[in-house]
Amino acid sequence: EVQLVQSGAEVKKPGESLKISCKGSGYSFTTDWIGWVRQMPGKGLEWMGIIYPGDSDARYSPSFQGQVTMSADKSISTAYLQWSSLRASDTAIYFCARQSCSDPSCYLEDWGQGTLVTVSS
Amino acid sequence: SYELAQPPSVSVSPGQTVSITCSGDDLGDKYVCWYQQKPGQSPVLVIFQDTKRPSGIPERFSGSNSGNTATLTISGTQAMDEADYYCQAWGGSINWVFGGGTKLTVL
Repeated sequence: EVQLVQSGAEVKKPGESLKISCKGSGYSFTTDWIGWVRQMPGKGLEWMGIIYPGDSDARYSPSFQGQVTMSADKSISTAYLQWSSLRASDTAIYFCARQSCSDPSCYLEDWGQGTLVTVSS
Repeated sequence: SYELAQPPSVSVSPGQTVSITCSGDDLGDKYVCWYQQKPGQSPVLVIFQDTKRPSGIPERFSGSNSGNTATLTISGTQAMDEADYYCQAWGGSINWVFGGGTKLTVL
């Protein structure tokens, strides 16, 4: 069974740094891309970017380029999303999702449970 | 940047058929998938590659894609289908985009 288990909820102050995690199991972690999706309170899903854990190749949505950093540690099957300086507007639920591909297309087949990040002074 | 448009809300009576649309330039040239999200839960893939259902998704969910519009259809809608639905387009690039989401209400 494929599982993506994300780290727990975080409460931070503006300007603080943060790194959240997504641990994969039940599949070959190094050969499937992992995407990150933001959902602000009461809003829709936003695509942030995607990383290939095999070589840590990361691609960012233009809206999030320079705002966050994606990384992965394949030795422990874990992907990360980090901020160097949080803002109140970063308050949201962050989902990781495994991209599966069945020729000729790809899709987000498995999702983590989400990590709630609250940024407040 | 590429954009996908969905109606903010649709409603349906139990047992009836409902369609949710997703519009984008030449969307029929891309592959569309649909996700269902219930309150407080993670999204669930219900349709991929325009028309295919993942295992475990009921047959009442179906999809189509042509021209500028993709459609998710739920036949014999049940109360448990009440949720937000999001379309997403795959155009061969890994830079995904989501539609704004449609809230389905089962009256």
